[in-house]
Amino acid sequence: KAGVTQTPRYLIKTRGQQVTLSCSPISGHRSVSWYQQTPGQGLQFLFEYFSETQRNKGNFPGRFSGRQFSNSRSEMNVSTLELGDSALYLCASSLGDRAITEAFFGQGTRLTVV
Amino acid sequence: AQKITQTQPGMFVQEKEAVTLDCTYDTSDQSYGLFWYKQPSSGEMIFLIYQGSYDEQNATEGRYSLNFQKARKSANLVISASQLGDSAMYFCAMREVNSGYSTLTFGKGTMLLVSP
Repeated sequence: KAGVTQTPRYLIKTRGQQVTLSCSPISGHRSVSWYQQTPGQGLQFLFEYFSETQRNKGNFPGRFSGRQFSNSRSEMNVSTLELGDSALYLCASSLGDRAITEAFFGQGTRLTVV
Repeated sequence: AQKITQTQPGMFVQEKEAVTLDCTYDTSDQSYGLFWYKQPSSGEMIFLIYQGSYDEQNATEGRYSLNFQKARKSANLVISASQLGDSAMYFCAMREVNSGYSTLTFGKGTMLLVSP
């Protein structure tokens, strides 16, 4: 059974640019959540998508957005990049039904903004 | 208030010894789940073990066990017979019903170093 796949693994972007990250969840999982990890703030929840709808949202500015496709793959977009957006972005895949279940993570995308 | 508290920034252990990583949590929900993840230097977050709030027995997965003390709101991870490959960052996390079933709240982590 394939795990969670995140692409690309590494990105270098310039301030002001925009970036799109991709996440393919485990087959059969309908929920995809995104997290930002930085040395200063630790792991912070960005948003969660379930059945193509944003079901939950963290406390991040509107420059951070996402979407989910009918095959459950999700993309995250960051516009007008700032230096502080440099981070490891992790996506988590879970069944998404109304129960507490495990979440499995991808290898992450390491974004560097210069 | 911190929802997940990991008080040990770093821990050292010798190979083959057991080690306990501490985690306390704060929630008013009756239904919640507690998780431990391992993050090696590569960055991937690896799921280790899960404990549900209604589970009466402590969870175990191979060399990992979770010492769940509900009244004290603690969920410590015990790694038996440490191996060099266990050196990594370890995160305790929680899912609560009221914050959305899929949202994980993480602690700040504990760096574990296993020496030969």
